[in-house]
Amino acid sequence: AQSVAQPEDQVNVAEGNPLTVKCTYSVSGNPYLFWYVQYPNRGLQFLLKYITGDNLVKGSYGFEAEFNKSQTSFHLKKPSALVSDSALYFCAVRDDSNYQLIWGAGTKLIIKP
Amino acid sequence: EAGVAQSPRYKIIEKRQSVAFWCNPISGHATLYWYQQILGQGPKLLIQFQNNGVVDDSQLPKDRFSAERLKGVDSTLKIQPAKLEDSAVYLCASSLGIDSTDTQYFGPGTRLTVL
Repeated sequence: AQSVAQPEDQVNVAEGNPLTVKCTYSVSGNPYLFWYVQYPNRGLQFLLKYITGDNLVKGSYGFEAEFNKSQTSFHLKKPSALVSDSALYFCAVRDDSNYQLIWGAGTKLIIKP
Repeated sequence: EAGVAQSPRYKIIEKRQSVAFWCNPISGHATLYWYQQILGQGPKLLIQFQNNGVVDDSQLPKDRFSAERLKGVDSTLKIQPAKLEDSAVYLCASSLGIDSTDTQYFGPGTRLTVL
């Protein structure tokens, strides 16, 4: 079955440190992967996506994600965390059977000053 | 460029009442999505429109939920009658084309509380 997993409910990082939010996926065909961020009482905002090409994808707000086919992962990263990065982060993968997005359960990122 | 607009932002109703949500997508976007997001979970697709036609409504509880997108622009989602388990945030999103890899842009959502 096609799926996406975000193994960490919450990630705590000190401001200025690098951050990683993990995402793994399972699809039968080529993976199309997305990261979104959700701030309190707001809708989801697009960060970046991997369709094809370079395994390192750069996105909004200084975020990047590394596509790793052998590990079926698409981890979100940022070299230096800001307190304002505190939010809920969602990974999604396109379902090959119906072309809809399969969403992870989300990871709460807390950046401490 | 204006984003996806939704109204109302918040709604509180009693069970068995009806409620409607409105969405105005980004101008020129062909595809419109309605999602249900329950607290602590990722979004769940309810229905997808391309222009004014339904592409996927397989997860829409059709005995109580209905949606339309007249003239391929604005859309409304209705629940009648509401149940307690319908308490959630209802998100509208739109994308420019019909390719499933197109980026979806989300509105702020409508938070529904059913008492």
